[in-house]
Amino acid sequence: AQKVTQAQTEISVVEKEDVTLDCVYETRDTTYYLFWYKQPPSGELVFLIRRNSFDEQNEISGRYSWNFQKSTSSFNFTITASQVVDSAVYFCALTYGGSQGNLIFGKGTKLSVKP
Amino acid sequence: NAGVTQTPKFRVLKTGQSMTLLCAQDMNHEYMYWYRQDPGMGLRLIHYSVGEGTTAKGEVPDGYNVSRLKKQNFLLGLESAAPSQTSVYFCASSYRQGFGELFFGEGSRLTVL
Repeated sequence: AQKVTQAQTEISVVEKEDVTLDCVYETRDTTYYLFWYKQPPSGELVFLIRRNSFDEQNEISGRYSWNFQKSTSSFNFTITASQVVDSAVYFCALTYGGSQGNLIFGKGTKLSVKP
Repeated sequence: NAGVTQTPKFRVLKTGQSMTLLCAQDMNHEYMYWYRQDPGMGLRLIHYSVGEGTTAKGEVPDGYNVSRLKKQNFLLGLESAAPSQTSVYFCASSYRQGFGELFFGEGSRLTVL
């Protein structure tokens, strides 16, 4: 079965702390893509990153970084020096060859960053 | 840059009423999707389309119908609304290849009393 698990339902940190959001995925396909989306309190879904199954290089974008490890089927997301504006629900998602582009979402992790 | 536009943004229905949600995209995308978002459930796929004139069922299709008569539009219909259909509905579109980023609309909040 194709599945995405975000075990952390809610995380609360104080501003400037680092925080890691966990994502574990399951798929039988060898070709797949992993995504992270952010949903701020305003409700829209904002694309953050896409990673394909053949590229295990970690990626850094400003305060955001992503660690993709096929050996543990994980695609974790770290925010360094968190800010109040990072408060949102973060979704990890998976698409694979047979999905017709459909994203399979995890249930999301709600991050609250307090000043 | 309109992107993906959903109408209406909010709607309140009584049980048994019908309604249609309209999704329009101006990016010439082949793939379009309807998701629903419920608390603690993430987003679940209702129906999708891989091109004009095509539709397919997703994870939770019961109680909904869809149509894709024009490439840029994807309609979601509720023939007889039920309280269980109270949710936030998101439309999305993506590139032909199917592995591209999904572009989402702003969401439509539907309440069924």
